[in-house]
Amino acid sequence: DAKTTQPPSMDCAEGRAANLPCNHSTISGNEYVYWYRQIHSQGPQYIIHGLKNNETNEMASLIITEDRKSSTLILPHATLRDTAVYYCILPIKAAGNKLTFGGGTRVLVKP
Amino acid sequence: DTGVSQNPRHKITKRGQNVTFRCDPISEHNRLYWYRQTLGQGPEFLTYFQNEAQLEKSRLLSDRFSAERPKGSFSTLEIQRTEQGDSAMYLCASSTGTVLEKLFFGSGTQLSVL
Repeated sequence: DAKTTQPPSMDCAEGRAANLPCNHSTISGNEYVYWYRQIHSQGPQYIIHGLKNNETNEMASLIITEDRKSSTLILPHATLRDTAVYYCILPIKAAGNKLTFGGGTRVLVKP
Repeated sequence: DTGVSQNPRHKITKRGQNVTFRCDPISEHNRLYWYRQTLGQGPEFLTYFQNEAQLEKSRLLSDRFSAERPKGSFSTLEIQRTEQGDSAMYLCASSTGTVLEKLFFGSGTQLSVL
């Protein structure tokens, strides 16, 4: 199973962009990168996913390097409600798209 | 779309008792997953269903644990003879079962075994 590596924590100032890195050097050619986040006392929430092109939605942007060995999730204007643990995941298609969560990055948005 | 519903939200039980949790997935989602999460850790996969068929079980799912999804709609997770190590948040998720799907999680059931 391809694995991901994320920094354990980071702080961000409210209103500024938050850039969350993820390394997935063993990713295979057809594996997508997914991002979920988990706000305290809630279940994880889907944010965005991508294969090799950059993606943007109403929540965030995803930048994937050309060699696909790493990616960055960008929260363009972080708010206090973005304080959460962010997980970078490569779903296992052969196992019903099972998600294997690592430790994630604990993001604290400060006023 | 009313979201994934889990009941109860909290359960306190004594060691040795049996407990059962219920998950109601989003309507027409044919995949349903159970995860367990302990404090400070990411969720750990337990099992998943495609309709009523249980297709995979993690080694974490000891023989004291049983999950069912009898009609391919709601699911139950039962823990028999609970132990203090079973204390955790139990999360349920559902999905459409398509290739590029996203999982929708419920808010979980927090189990405390005294």
